Amino acid sequence: NAGVTQTPKFQVLKTGQSMTLQCAQDMNHEYMSWYRQDPGMGLRLIHYSVGAGITDQGEVPNGYNVSRSTTEDFPLRLLSAAPSQTSVYFCASRGADSYEQYFGPGTRLTVT
Amino acid sequence: QKEVEQDPGPLSVPEGAIVSLNCTYSNSAFQYFMWYRQYSRKGPELLMYTYSSGNKEDGRFTAQVDKSSKYISLFIRDSQPSDSATYLCAVYPSGTYKYIFGTGTRLKVLA
Repeated sequence: NAGVTQTPKFQVLKTGQSMTLQCAQDMNHEYMSWYRQDPGMGLRLIHYSVGAGITDQGEVPNGYNVSRSTTEDFPLRLLSAAPSQTSVYFCASRGADSYEQYFGPGTRLTVT
Repeated sequence: QKEVEQDPGPLSVPEGAIVSLNCTYSNSAFQYFMWYRQYSRKGPELLMYTYSSGNKEDGRFTAQVDKSSKYISLFIRDSQPSDSATYLCAVYPSGTYKYIFGTGTRLKVLA
């Protein structure tokens, strides 16, 4: 099992550019989430999904889109990157009958 | 007021010391409490979780919840340099699908 994988590991964008952060899990988990982690702010929930075709907003959703067409994949789209989106992004998944979230290795994003 | 508060540290201790890491939370309805460990430049990994009040032990780690004072603690016995990491507490409000994390405490165990 690869667990939760994220690509890319690092990315530098210019303001206004768009991109997609990829997340995949091979554990057949129903729930998947995207977090951003900033110094002094902890992990903040951006969007989450409770199953294929079902997504909802978290604490900080503005500027981000998600979709969940399969159980395995949960991409995060930045529509028009802003310097305030410079952060480390983590994807996580868990089964519906468990409280244990598995996190991916993260994507470090810099927006200039 | 933040829903989960955690001292950011850093906390430096000598090898072999007992470490106490703490969080407070604001909502007395919270029932599920977790501790995650995050090594530098890695994703968080779940260390322990507890339901409601009481203690839970796993090897050198003990998680404690005091619901009367809304206090969550993680104790590490015989701390090792390999325990050097950031420790995040989290709560899981029932029925919300969402976790609320503290900001994390950086721990350094000196050899």
